[in-house]
Amino acid sequence: SAVISQKPSRDICQRGTSLTIQCQVDSQVTMMFWYRQQPGQSLTLIATANQGSEATYESGFVIDKFPISRPNLTFSTLTVSNMSPEDSSIYLCSERVPMNTEAFFGQGTRLTVV
Amino acid sequence: AQSVTQLDSHVSVSEGTPVLLRCNYSSSYSPSLFWYVQHPNKGLQLLLKYTSAATLVKGINGFEAEFKKSETSFHLTKPSAHMSDAAEYFCVVSVFTSGTYKYIFGTGTRLKVLA
Repeated sequence: SAVISQKPSRDICQRGTSLTIQCQVDSQVTMMFWYRQQPGQSLTLIATANQGSEATYESGFVIDKFPISRPNLTFSTLTVSNMSPEDSSIYLCSERVPMNTEAFFGQGTRLTVV
Repeated sequence: AQSVTQLDSHVSVSEGTPVLLRCNYSSSYSPSLFWYVQHPNKGLQLLLKYTSAATLVKGINGFEAEFKKSETSFHLTKPSAHMSDAAEYFCVVSVFTSGTYKYIFGTGTRLKVLA
């Protein structure tokens, strides 16, 4: 299984500010994904991070709020912009190896917006 | 449309007794199904997966799941619960859409193990 390092592991941020979350994978993968897990809820896919091109966002998520970068096959960042308390969630990075169906997840970033 | 339904949001069992976590799926084709576990303040760990091979799938930590097409179910079981099994469990279906595989998560089942 892949090793996925995500940081920070947690942060407390002021409303109106932005936080960038980093995700590093130990091998080259094609597909990387970002999820949000709101308190007490399941995971919702935010976007697919595409290497060398713009991310593909799911319904309800927009690039201005969640800009994503993927400069190479092993690294991606998610920024949560202009934060409000409603953005308090766990954000998880995930990767899937080509021709494989299972995905692996980072430890998550627990974000609290005050 | 593909989806998964976890029938119980909370399950409590006594240590040493069997565990049953229920999951039903909806899919227009043969699905890939997974169970993940999330311990408090930890990431998600893959327990097991079904990808159209054997219908009885064995996973880690003594868990197994049986794919039943006639019942559209993929329930997770374990013969004897251990205190360390207390966690949140997610049933997941993988769907191929927009040129890639995406995961659809169930709402989760929180397993409590009583001493």
